[in-house]
Amino acid sequence: NAGVTQTPKFQVLKTGQSMTLQCAQDMNHEYMSWYRQDPGMGLRLIHYSVGAGITDQGEVPNGYNVSRSTTEDFPLRLLSAAPSQTSVYFCASSRLSSRQDRYEQYFGPGTRLTVT
Amino acid sequence: GQSLEQPSEVTAVEGAIVQINCTYQTSGFYGLSWYQQHDGGAPTFLSYNALDGLEETGRFSSFLSRSDSYGYLLLQELQMKDSASYFCAVRPNKAAGNKLTFGGGTRVLVKP
Repeated sequence: NAGVTQTPKFQVLKTGQSMTLQCAQDMNHEYMSWYRQDPGMGLRLIHYSVGAGITDQGEVPNGYNVSRSTTEDFPLRLLSAAPSQTSVYFCASSRLSSRQDRYEQYFGPGTRLTVT
Repeated sequence: GQSLEQPSEVTAVEGAIVQINCTYQTSGFYGLSWYQQHDGGAPTFLSYNALDGLEETGRFSSFLSRSDSYGYLLLQELQMKDSASYFCAVRPNKAAGNKLTFGGGTRVLVKP
């Protein structure tokens, strides 16, 4: 299994440009999430999905859109890039489990985005 | 709102024991997770506590007290490779299991 994959690894955008960050997982996980991590800080949830066709907003959704047409893919779209969106973006997936004693998210390697 | 408090940095020597505390104030609580992140890398899962008490996984242990809204991660027999940032994260409910709120992270520096 490749696990969680993200493309691209690095991206530089100009203010106002749009782009899509790709995320895919091959573990058949129901849950997927997008986080951003600014230097020296924790992860903040942007959007999340509990299954194909179902998405919801996290803590910092403004300026981002998501869709979940398949179980495997969860792309993140930046509508009009701003310098404040310079960050490292992580995608994560996890399994819906009936067990209460364990919950593990698997993270992709991240996309490092710079907006000039 | 949701908030998780962790110390920003801890320094210790090889072989020592380090405890990283996490106190949380969240609108819901279903479980507390711990993740490790090396510089330039992705977070990786360490442990998860849904019930009060201690969970042990090798050199790492995690503790939870739901009545105190408090947990900690214990790193024993520290090794140089344990130098990393450690994050606690709250899972607010069972339905939105991936709607995690993360703390700001604790940077652990292990010295020879």
